[in-house]
Amino acid sequence: AQTVTQSQPEMSVQEAETVTLSCTYDTSESDYYLFWYKQPPSRQMILVIRQEAYKQQNATENRFSVNFQKAAKSFSLKISDSQLGDAAMYFCAYRSVRFFQGAQKLVFGQGTRLTINP
Amino acid sequence: DAGVIQSPRHEVTEMGQEVTLRCKPISGHNSLFWYRQTMMRGLELLIYFNNNVPIDDSGMPEDRFSAKMPNASFSTLKIQPSEPRDSAVYFCASSPGTGNGNTEAFFGQGTRLTVV
Repeated sequence: AQTVTQSQPEMSVQEAETVTLSCTYDTSESDYYLFWYKQPPSRQMILVIRQEAYKQQNATENRFSVNFQKAAKSFSLKISDSQLGDAAMYFCAYRSVRFFQGAQKLVFGQGTRLTINP
Repeated sequence: DAGVIQSPRHEVTEMGQEVTLRCKPISGHNSLFWYRQTMMRGLELLIYFNNNVPIDDSGMPEDRFSAKMPNASFSTLKIQPSEPRDSAVYFCASSPGTGNGNTEAFFGQGTRLTVV
């Protein structure tokens, strides 16, 4: 079974600075998807960024980018120019590309609470 | 599209009562997921449906929990009888399908259930 580990329960950063959130995962599959979701105090789960494992190029979405190291099974999220609205819980998640019982579910890490200091 | 719609947003009930959580997925999505979020266990999948058929219910904690999807636009998660340890936030999510091009799961705003 796949597992996702986020080793940083909490992180803080000064506004306008850069912060990196760590995520590692374990799988025997060669192709899969990885995601970062943001959960602000409103509770809504919002997709931040997605990476397909077969793509070597790291995904970027505006101020958000990932460092995907497939061999190391590492998938970190970098937030540049941090803003107060970035304060939230951030979840790393894994999803198989296969379609069989249980494969389509998202497997989540425990989350990292990010605080932005003004 | 209004996104995934869950109701109610908050539910407080007494131990032993029946609780029904509702979900309307995004139109056209054919996968639907129920997740539970607690401080202790984080986000865990309870059950998911594909084309209204339950595919994996291995995460359903016990027989007190049941889920149905009578049609493509509606699903329910029922707890009977409810217990204080069922207190959590319950999320419904939907996804376009199983093709490689559509992988994102869209989440509702969740139902915060408190069982006293």
